[in-house]
Amino acid sequence: DTAVSQTPKYLVTQMGNDKSIKCEQNLGHDTMYWYKQDSKKFLKIMFSYNNKELIINETVPNRFSPKSPDKAHLNLHINSLELGDSAVYFCASSHTTGPYEQYFGPGTRLTVT
Amino acid sequence: GESVGLHLPTLSVQEGDNSIINCAYSNSASDYFIWYKQESGKGPQFIIDIRSNMDKRQGQRVTVLLNKTVKHLSLQIAATQPGDSAVYFCAETGGNTGKLIFGQGTTLQVKP
Repeated sequence: DTAVSQTPKYLVTQMGNDKSIKCEQNLGHDTMYWYKQDSKKFLKIMFSYNNKELIINETVPNRFSPKSPDKAHLNLHINSLELGDSAVYFCASSHTTGPYEQYFGPGTRLTVT
Repeated sequence: GESVGLHLPTLSVQEGDNSIINCAYSNSASDYFIWYKQESGKGPQFIIDIRSNMDKRQGQRVTVLLNKTVKHLSLQIAATQPGDSAVYFCAETGGNTGKLIFGQGTTLQVKP
């Protein structure tokens, strides 16, 4: 049973395209997150949702838009992709908002050419 | 600004030895700390956490130490095994948003 799953695992696309990454968790958690990991392995939070409500919205270009249709899903849509968007994107979830352990998905490696 | 850093980018140990991975944090308001392990091609995996009202916590073969006076966190791995080879991250958070701030990561290499 996969706790936090993401699709696709790999995504190769050209500059200017629009793409989406999907995330689902079956842990019954209320809170979900998106992180970006750059080529130097640095992990930085982008967004979080608690029961479909946006909680964290870091300084991220507005080309990135999260969507949470229900508390088990958090998708990330990216418009007008740029070379600098190439990274690994991780989804995570936690019991609820606050200081709790977060469970990460396997990641989506996005390559923009 | 906020930052969580690790002292060494790479740590190489002999199989069977104990490993100590260090982390310094700068936000004295942080009250929850986590260690994650990330193997190549995988997502970060929770190892152990500690809250600021504790200074030590033990798990299976792992111990986390927290020194709030000098804002220092360490992860000790006993009897290091080849399967422990990975990148280790410390992370901190404070408040109620759950915003984790990650350090840069230490690569642990275990020599057979």
